[in-house]
Amino acid sequence: GQNIDQPTEMTATEGAIVQINCTYQTSGFNGLFWYQQHAGEAPTFLSYNVLDGLEEKGRFSSFLSRSKGYSYLLLKELQMKDSASYLCAVIDSNYQLIWGAGTKLIIKP
Amino acid sequence: NAGVTQTPKFRVLKTGQSMTLLCAQDMNHEYMYWYRQDPGMGLRLIHYSVGEGTTAKGEVPDGYNVSRLKKQNFLLGLESAAPSQTSVYFCASRSEDRVVEPQHFGDGTRLSIL
Repeated sequence: GQNIDQPTEMTATEGAIVQINCTYQTSGFNGLFWYQQHAGEAPTFLSYNVLDGLEEKGRFSSFLSRSKGYSYLLLKELQMKDSASYLCAVIDSNYQLIWGAGTKLIIKP
Repeated sequence: NAGVTQTPKFRVLKTGQSMTLLCAQDMNHEYMYWYRQDPGMGLRLIHYSVGEGTTAKGEVPDGYNVSRLKKQNFLLGLESAAPSQTSVYFCASRSEDRVVEPQHFGDGTRLSIL
């Protein structure tokens, strides 16, 4: 079966750095997305990785290792508004999106 | 630019009632999707469409029907609502310009079945 694992919840301090991990086992791989979802709102696109390595976009970076079936989202200089759920999703061999359950990130002052 | 608009935003139904959720997008996207999101679970695909007049089943299609009569609209129907269908429903769309275009989501419909 296809499976994506993320921690259920993480807590971090304002101004700090946090890394949210995602491991996947899917039938084929055509890329990986990270989305942010604030409570009661729609998911919004953060990043896309298809090649190994780090993609940096401002305070957010996303890393991919295809051989390990592993990705992480790195958030720097955390702000209170970063409190949200972060969803990992993998495009499988049929170009369907397989979604993880999401990681709820709590930022404390 | 409104993006993806879902109506209604909230609804309470009684078991056995029927209703239709409407999704409209103004981005001229070919692909449209209906998901449900339940606590502790990832987004689960109900049905999707790759263009006007086409529909296909996703991971959890039972109890739902869809129609895509116009490119900009994707309707999700519940013929006989059941408490297990209590959920938050999200519609999404994406262009076909690149196979790996991100999906754009509506704000969701919160549906409770009593």
